[in-house]
Amino acid sequence: EVQLVESGGGLVQPGGSLRLSCAASGFTFSSYAMSWVRQAPGKGLEWVSAISGSGGSTYYADSVKGRFTISRDNSKNTLYLQMNSLRAEDTAVYYCAKGVKLVIPFDIWGQGTMVTVSS
Amino acid sequence: QSVLTQPPSVSAAPGQKVTISCSGSSSNIGNNYVSWYQQLPGTAPKLLIYDNNKRPSGIPDRFSGSKSGTSATLGITGLQTGDEADYYCGTWDSSLSAAVFGGGTKLTVL
Repeated sequence: EVQLVESGGGLVQPGGSLRLSCAASGFTFSSYAMSWVRQAPGKGLEWVSAISGSGGSTYYADSVKGRFTISRDNSKNTLYLQMNSLRAEDTAVYYCAKGVKLVIPFDIWGQGTMVTVSS
Repeated sequence: QSVLTQPPSVSAAPGQKVTISCSGSSSNIGNNYVSWYQQLPGTAPKLLIYDNNKRPSGIPDRFSGSKSGTSATLGITGLQTGDEADYYCGTWDSSLSAAVFGGGTKLTVL
């Protein structure tokens, strides 16, 4: 079964850091671009970042550029998102998503992990 | 403010047809494929349409997609109460080098 399982969310103070993980199974992980997409409470979807299958190319939304770093370990079938200098507006459910051929479209989504930035 | 523009809400009666529009520009919809996602309450998004008009396996043919110029449309026929959800369009923006979504459209089946 093709599956993505996120972990690492939680409550963090403004200015703090958090590292999200996404464990993939059921497909050849290294063959596909992967993304993080977030959804603030009651709001729409916002793409955050993407990484190519090899990890050689990365892309970021302007809202997180310079603060977040996407990476992957293809030997562990795991995607990561290192989030630094967190702000209240980063509060959201964070989904990892698998690309079909390029970054988008996203054919498989995880269940999401909640990140709350608050003092 | 989303890069892609969708109506906030649409509604129709069971059994009827509804369309949801998604408007963009030449840097996104105009030169890239569009995908559509359904998000049922409390769940993760699900891919409905990709490459403008293709359906993944398991998606009924009640769902269809089309694109013309810098706009795309999702159509749903034979509406069911289970179709009540938020629907999002998405594509790649070549100028931003970023994936972009519409703001989402809430479908109510009256």
